[in-house]
Amino acid sequence: NFVLTQPHSVSESPGKTVTISCTRSSGGIGGHYVQWYQQRPGSGPTTIIYEDKERPSGVPPRFSGSIDPSSNSAFLTISGLRTEDEADYFCHSLKVFGGGTRLTVL
Amino acid sequence: EVQLVQSGGGSVQPGGSLRLSCAGSGFIFGSRWMSWVRQAPGRGLEWVANIKTDGSEAYYVDSVRGRFIVSRDNTKNLLSLQMSSLTVEDTAVYYCAKSGSWDPDAFDVWGQGTVVTVSS
Repeated sequence: NFVLTQPHSVSESPGKTVTISCTRSSGGIGGHYVQWYQQRPGSGPTTIIYEDKERPSGVPPRFSGSIDPSSNSAFLTISGLRTEDEADYFCHSLKVFGGGTRLTVL
Repeated sequence: EVQLVQSGGGSVQPGGSLRLSCAGSGFIFGSRWMSWVRQAPGRGLEWVANIKTDGSEAYYVDSVRGRFIVSRDNTKNLLSLQMSSLTVEDTAVYYCAKSGSWDPDAFDVWGQGTVVTVSS
């Protein structure tokens, strides 16, 4: 089996852009779709990216997903940061979840 | 609007049983793989089980295989998780999730979650 490694935390200022990485330990990142979930404090997860780069209806284009086979990583990029984006973000592929990244917008 | 509404859960002693339900609406329920994911207090997400569109195949994480059974009734748009021989390690918030496409693991919608507490 493989592990998905995310940074424990990231922080950035409102209006800026932040990118969260998700690195797969073995096997190609392109072998299975990668999803990204947002979990605000006290709430359940919601999907912001599925199938590497697709956004469910209602998710603004400020959120984008990509994969990079050269680094065997997936990336979640959030532009125009808002305080409401403060949350934990989890990547997911096959049946494996990353440990989550706490985003602080300050 | 696509929705998954969960029910069931609660508190139970070790060795006990519980049944969780997840009602889908706003989509063709029988066309999508469905999954259960849990989150222990203060922890990350853990995949628990999933079930194929027609219910003919189901898969489980090793820690619950033989104790949990996932099932679905496509005529009622209902997903269920029957949990037995519960241990304190099963304490978590349980979420159902639907796949967004042919990929069973590409979740696009989640239920609101239901709390399961196993304690003596």
